[in-house]
Amino acid sequence: AQSVTQPDIHITVSEGASLELRCNYSYGATPYLFWYVQSPGQGLQLLLKYFSGDTLVQGIKGFEAEFKRSQSSFNRSKPSVHWSDAAEYFCAVNNNAGNMLTFGGGTRLMVKP
Amino acid sequence: DGGITQSPKYLFRKEGQNVTLSCEQNLNHDAMYWYRQDPGQGLRLIYYSQIVNDFQKGDIAEGYSVSREKKESFPLTVTSAQKNPTAFYLCASSRDSNQPQHFGDGTRLSIL
Repeated sequence: AQSVTQPDIHITVSEGASLELRCNYSYGATPYLFWYVQSPGQGLQLLLKYFSGDTLVQGIKGFEAEFKRSQSSFNRSKPSVHWSDAAEYFCAVNNNAGNMLTFGGGTRLMVKP
Repeated sequence: DGGITQSPKYLFRKEGQNVTLSCEQNLNHDAMYWYRQDPGQGLRLIYYSQIVNDFQKGDIAEGYSVSREKKESFPLTVTSAQKNPTAFYLCASSRDSNQPQHFGDGTRLSIL
């Protein structure tokens, strides 16, 4: 069975600092990979997706993510965090067999002024 | 604008009562999904439907039921058999089951 691990439950960074959100997955083949963001009391918004091709994916709000097959990871990064980036971020994996999206437990980002 | 609408935003259930959460989409998506989110946790799949009149159980289907009579609609019923229904429920849809999912704004269910 596939699984997704986000090792950091909470992260606090200062505004302007760089950020990396970690995501590791367990799956036998190359899955489809996604990052979503959730504001309090809201649904999830898609930020990034990786299906194939270039392993560095650009997303909205200056975020990017890199797929590393050797490490089974799909980490997101941003060079300079803004206060509006504070939210909860979820990594998700689709086994591309057509039916299951598995989510990680989420990382809650707080931004200090 | 196309999107997914969940209603109501807040719902209260009495003991022994069934309640139904609404999910409607006008994105012309074939696939629809229901997730449950508990505080501080990720999403867990309850049910999903890849096409009208067909649906499959997800990881935590016990105590829930769904129907998919129309492409646009995928209502979720939380039955009295679900002993711990208090959670945030999210509906999603996608063009097909390999495409990114689009989410509604959720329904928060609480027990009176």
